[in-house]
Amino acid sequence: GAVVSQHPSWVICKSGTSVKIECRSLDFQATTMFWYRQFPKQSLMLMATSNEGSKATYEQGVEKDKFLINHASLTLSTLTVTSAHPEDSSFYICSAVRRAGTGELFFGEGSRLTVL
Amino acid sequence: AQSVTQPDIHITVSEGASLELRCNYSYGATPYLFWYVQSPGQGLQLLLKYFSGDTLVQGIKGFEAEFKRSQSSFNLRKPSVHWSDAAEYFCAVGMDQGGKLIFGQGTELSVKP
Repeated sequence: GAVVSQHPSWVICKSGTSVKIECRSLDFQATTMFWYRQFPKQSLMLMATSNEGSKATYEQGVEKDKFLINHASLTLSTLTVTSAHPEDSSFYICSAVRRAGTGELFFGEGSRLTVL
Repeated sequence: AQSVTQPDIHITVSEGASLELRCNYSYGATPYLFWYVQSPGQGLQLLLKYFSGDTLVQGIKGFEAEFKRSQSSFNLRKPSVHWSDAAEYFCAVGMDQGGKLIFGQGTELSVKP
């Protein structure tokens, strides 16, 4: 089946630094990728929709200058958390839409960010 | 507004017992409905999905779900729960199968021996 990989799966950083999380579709081209955020014991909240070659569309309340999303190719989208603070600590999950076929959606394994 | 409600935050069942996890949705159009399972610290695995046709949908790991339009529900069921089914379960709704999803709050399933 289709695989979506996130890297790193786990990262700890100091407050004020920036962290980049990658989301790759390993065996298919993804027209669209979505980024979700999940707090402990809570649901997934959509942060933004990322389309290859264009600017991301952010959900209401998500700071686009803080959460930079780049979708440079049909297999890679990146989420950069800029000037991270402890409240940015969370589990970040991406999903990718397969370009061919039925346009099915696949989720990555998630990336846990801890900001000290 | 579009929303998904999973009324049960936590459910505990005995191994071998039957299971039903509830999901209700509010959506303007005919929705695409999904159930996902998440183990601790892991991503999401799709259990099953409903787009159209037969309202009883079979999924992986012995799960099934029934779409009831009149009740705006899409409850997940399993006849006999295994200890390995302990996890967080999320119901989700979307406009199509490749679009953004709205997730319910999740139901944590515990299985006792």
